[in-house]
Amino acid sequence: AQKVTQAQTEISVVEKEDVTLDCVYETRDTTYYLFWYKQPPSGELVFLIRRNSFDEQNEISGRYSWNFQKSTSSFNFTITASQVVDSAVYFCATNTDKLIFGTGTRLQVFP
Amino acid sequence: EPEVTQTPSHQVTQMGQEVILRCVPISNHLYFYWYRQILGQKVEFLVSFYNNEISEKSEIFDDQFSVERPDGSNFTLKIRSTKLEDSAMYFCASSEGGYGTGTSLYGYTFGSGTRLTVV
Repeated sequence: AQKVTQAQTEISVVEKEDVTLDCVYETRDTTYYLFWYKQPPSGELVFLIRRNSFDEQNEISGRYSWNFQKSTSSFNFTITASQVVDSAVYFCATNTDKLIFGTGTRLQVFP
Repeated sequence: EPEVTQTPSHQVTQMGQEVILRCVPISNHLYFYWYRQILGQKVEFLVSFYNNEISEKSEIFDDQFSVERPDGSNFTLKIRSTKLEDSAMYFCASSEGGYGTGTSLYGYTFGSGTRLTVV
């Protein structure tokens, strides 16, 4: 069965620090997607990235970057030079037929 | 970018009452989902729906829950006889293809959620 583990329950950093959110997934399928979502205090789920299991290239989007390591079943998310607006809960997820979420990491960025 | 629309954004209901949460998925999407998030917890899968029938449901989705696509555009979640523990945010999502496939960048498009409070 699919499973996503986000071992970090809560992380606190000071603005401009870099921060990495860990995600480890389990799946028996060879084809799957990996996702990250941001959930700000307003409650909606904001899509950040979708990665196909065949594409192990790392991705960078502005201050965000993702490191996909199939060998360790990890899909970690790094925010460079964090800002107060990055404060939110971040969910990693994976799917085969349905999307399964991890428990989330609450990131607090202090000024 | 097309959106999934959920109404109402917030609903308060008395314990034991029936509630219907409404969703309008993206028009060319064929797969529909409901998820639940109890405050401070993870987002949990409830049910998936395709071709006018439930394709999969979780253990949470017991007999008090039902889903329907009554008119080809709306997708509803009904909770009969609500309990206090049904208080949560309910998210509707849709996808073009199964397994989150399709031309959309997002795979799954989520609505903004309905916050249900049972008192």
